[in-house]
Amino acid sequence: GAVVSQHPSWVICKSGTSVKIECRSLDFQATTMFWYRQFPKQSLMLMATSNEGSKATYEQGVEKDKFLINHASLTLSTLTVTSAHPEDSSFYICSARTVGDQPQHFGDGTRLSIL
Amino acid sequence: SQKIEQNSEALNIQEGKTATLTCNYTNYSPAYLQWYRQDPGRGPVFLLLIRENEKEKRKERLKVTFDTTLKQSLFHITASQPADSATYLCAPPDSGAGSYQLTFGKGTKLSVIP
Repeated sequence: GAVVSQHPSWVICKSGTSVKIECRSLDFQATTMFWYRQFPKQSLMLMATSNEGSKATYEQGVEKDKFLINHASLTLSTLTVTSAHPEDSSFYICSARTVGDQPQHFGDGTRLSIL
Repeated sequence: SQKIEQNSEALNIQEGKTATLTCNYTNYSPAYLQWYRQDPGRGPVFLLLIRENEKEKRKERLKVTFDTTLKQSLFHITASQPADSATYLCAPPDSGAGSYQLTFGKGTKLSVIP
């Protein structure tokens, strides 16, 4: 149980393109979903937290107009990187949880490369 | 916010030995702490959660301890196998009681040598 599916697993696109990443909880309802970014040999850095039906809460330094998050249902959240540039290239990972101090369950990440 | 230190970036041990990984936190005492495993190019996988009123938690060959006096959690893998080679992440909540955002350490990369 507790499977989170993230799609696509990798994307290569030109600078200026917008890219959408999907995160789905397959067998549970996710009260909260999280989006992380990870650079090589670094820890996961939280970008934003989203609750179903409400606006995402962004961490300091993360541009909300650049990284659009939509949490339309209890099983789906999307991250759209708008007008992506090479510096946006990274490994993006989503996670989902239910309530209380339950663990977060992670997707397998999306490797984004902007040329 | 919480600050995490995991004892070493890399740990090499011989197959069959017990691996011990350390996680120290420096700010407030978390109500619980989670351990994850991450393989290269993959998302983290949840392993164990230990609460502040639990001294020890076990799952198969894994054992986690939580010492709120020392502000430390230890993660043990007994009878280690090459398949245990991965990066292990310690993650307490970002802030005090009621928080559900996690702060992740940089992780310890464990290599089990056959």
